[in-house]
Amino acid sequence: GAVVSQHPSRVICKSGTSVKIECRSLDFQATTMFWYRQFPKKSLMLMATSNEGSKATYEQGVEKDKFLINHASLTLSTLTVTSAHPEDSSFYICSARDSQARQPQHFGDGTRLSIL
Amino acid sequence: DQQVKQNSPSLSVQEGRISILNCDYTNSMFDYFLWYKKYPAEGPTFLISISSIKDKNEDGRFTVFLNKSAKHLSLHIVPSQPGDSAVYFCAATPGTWRTSYGKLTFGQGTILTVHP
Repeated sequence: GAVVSQHPSRVICKSGTSVKIECRSLDFQATTMFWYRQFPKKSLMLMATSNEGSKATYEQGVEKDKFLINHASLTLSTLTVTSAHPEDSSFYICSARDSQARQPQHFGDGTRLSIL
Repeated sequence: DQQVKQNSPSLSVQEGRISILNCDYTNSMFDYFLWYKKYPAEGPTFLISISSIKDKNEDGRFTVFLNKSAKHLSLHIVPSQPGDSAVYFCAATPGTWRTSYGKLTFGQGTILTVHP
């Protein structure tokens, strides 16, 4: 079945570092990918919708300059957390829309980001 | 405004018994509802879904019921197994597979523990 690969699975870095997370659709083309953030014991909160070849659409309250999204190809979207601080520590999950599938989205396995 | 609500943070069930997870929604534009299972540090895994034109969908041990007038859906797992222990999220989206899904809105999740 369709697979979405997210990398890295875990990142630990110092405050002020920028961190890039990759999301790839492995066996289908994804014109639309989504980035979520999950706080401990909370729901998945949609951060932004990434559209191939165009600017991402951010949800209310999400800082565009802090969370840079690039969707340069039909199989890859990246999320860059710029100048990360401890409050950015979270679990980030991407998903991809497969227009041929009955499921709305296929999810990656997430990235645990820890900022020291 | 929480458009999708799972009011039970946790549920504990004995192996072999039925697990019933509940979900309520407020947005009348939602057309498609899904249940996801999630383990810690992993992305959500799709379980089962239901379109708003149906009131029941069954897949093996999993059955989802939808009551549109009450804006309520439930997931029944029978018989429950220890391997079912995980966090269960319900999600909703406007649109359908044919008309293109909209964004997914998730509930807060319910931690299911199935005791041997």
